[in-house]
Amino acid sequence: NAGVTQTPKFRVLKTGQSMTLLCAQDMNHEYMYWYRQDPGMGLRLIHYSVGEGTTAKGEVPDGYNVSRLKKQNFLLGLESAAPSQTSVYFCASTWTGVSGELFFGEGSRLTVL
Amino acid sequence: QQQVKQSPQSLIVQKGGISIINCAYENTAFDYFPWYQQFPGKGPALLIAIRPDVSEKKEGRFTISFNKSAKQFSLHIMDSQPGDSATYFCAAFYTGNQFYFGTGTSLTVIP
Repeated sequence: NAGVTQTPKFRVLKTGQSMTLLCAQDMNHEYMYWYRQDPGMGLRLIHYSVGEGTTAKGEVPDGYNVSRLKKQNFLLGLESAAPSQTSVYFCASTWTGVSGELFFGEGSRLTVL
Repeated sequence: QQQVKQSPQSLIVQKGGISIINCAYENTAFDYFPWYQQFPGKGPALLIAIRPDVSEKKEGRFTISFNKSAKQFSLHIMDSQPGDSATYFCAAFYTGNQFYFGTGTSLTVIP
């Protein structure tokens, strides 16, 4: 069982470039989340999905887009990268909206020059 | 607006000592309060969690104390070990919604 897998693990972009982070989970989870982690700011929710074909905005959605075309995959896109988007991005998933354990991937470190 | 406030930001404890991390929340709709542990280069992993109908939960050396009236909860690590050195996040959740995380506490246990 792989759990939650994020690709790529590292990426360097130039300002204005675009890219997509892929999150895949093999636990048949309904809920999937994208967080960013910055020093002193904890984990901040970017977007989340409560099921295939659905997405919703989190706390810091600006500059990001997401898609959940398949239940097991949740994609995070940066249309025009900015240095402020330099961060470590974590994908997470869980079962239905009833309180339960959140499973995290190992993170994707993105640097925007 | 920070839904969950966590303190301290960093903590240094001697081996064998007690580590205490505190969190506070405002939204009384929260019904699940987990603590996550994160080692460098890894994603957070669930350590222990509590629901508001109990005041304390203990798992090995880790204990959550929950004060519903004060809207506060804390993590106690007894007999702290160097292997406990990590970043700890408290969180709050209510059914059908999102997990809200604290800003994290970097714990260092000195041998």
